[in-house]
Amino acid sequence: GAVVSQHPSRVICKSGTSVKIECRSLDFQATTMFWYRQFPKQSLMLMATSNEGSKATYEQGVEKDKFLINHASLTLSTLTVTSAHPEDSSFYICSAYSGLAGNEQFFGPGTRLTVL
Amino acid sequence: AQSVTQLDSQVPVFEEAPVELRCNYSSSVSVYLFWYVQYPNQGLQLLLKYLSGSTLVESINGFEAEFNKSQTSFHLRKPSVHISDTAEYFCAVSVTGGGNKLTFGTGTQLKVEL
Repeated sequence: GAVVSQHPSRVICKSGTSVKIECRSLDFQATTMFWYRQFPKQSLMLMATSNEGSKATYEQGVEKDKFLINHASLTLSTLTVTSAHPEDSSFYICSAYSGLAGNEQFFGPGTRLTVL
Repeated sequence: AQSVTQLDSQVPVFEEAPVELRCNYSSSVSVYLFWYVQYPNQGLQLLLKYLSGSTLVESINGFEAEFNKSQTSFHLRKPSVHISDTAEYFCAVSVTGGGNKLTFGTGTQLKVEL
């Protein structure tokens, strides 16, 4: 199957700093990428939908100025958590959709963010 | 809006025993249904999906799920589990014309014991 990578796999930062997470589709072009957040023992919650070359669409309750998403190419989307605070600590997962695999999204391995 | 309910947060089972992981959904429009598996320290992998056609879908590693529209269910079953099936299983739904957004259940931890 198609491979999606995320970098870094885990990051620890101080409160008030910004953190960038990269999501790459390695062997296919992703027309759409999705960003999810997963708290311990909870489900994946969709944060935003990112389409190449256009602004991301955020889900209700997600602050677009805090979670900046850029989808500059068909193989790369980035999520920047700006001025991170301890409550932003979570597992962030991206997925990529090519439109060619029968509605299947391919998921990255996730990024564990810990804000001190 | 749609929702997905996985009532069982954990399911312990002995190796070679059958297992059923339950999934119910709620939606006012037609849906696509998915089961994803997440092994420790790995990303989600698609296990099987229902888009249309036969309501019984199968995976390559022996899992199957049946779409039951009247009961709004998509339970996952395997007649004989292996230790290697130990993982977190997520049921998810997307609505037709919904931009491929997935709504996930809270997951079921399947723990296979000897």
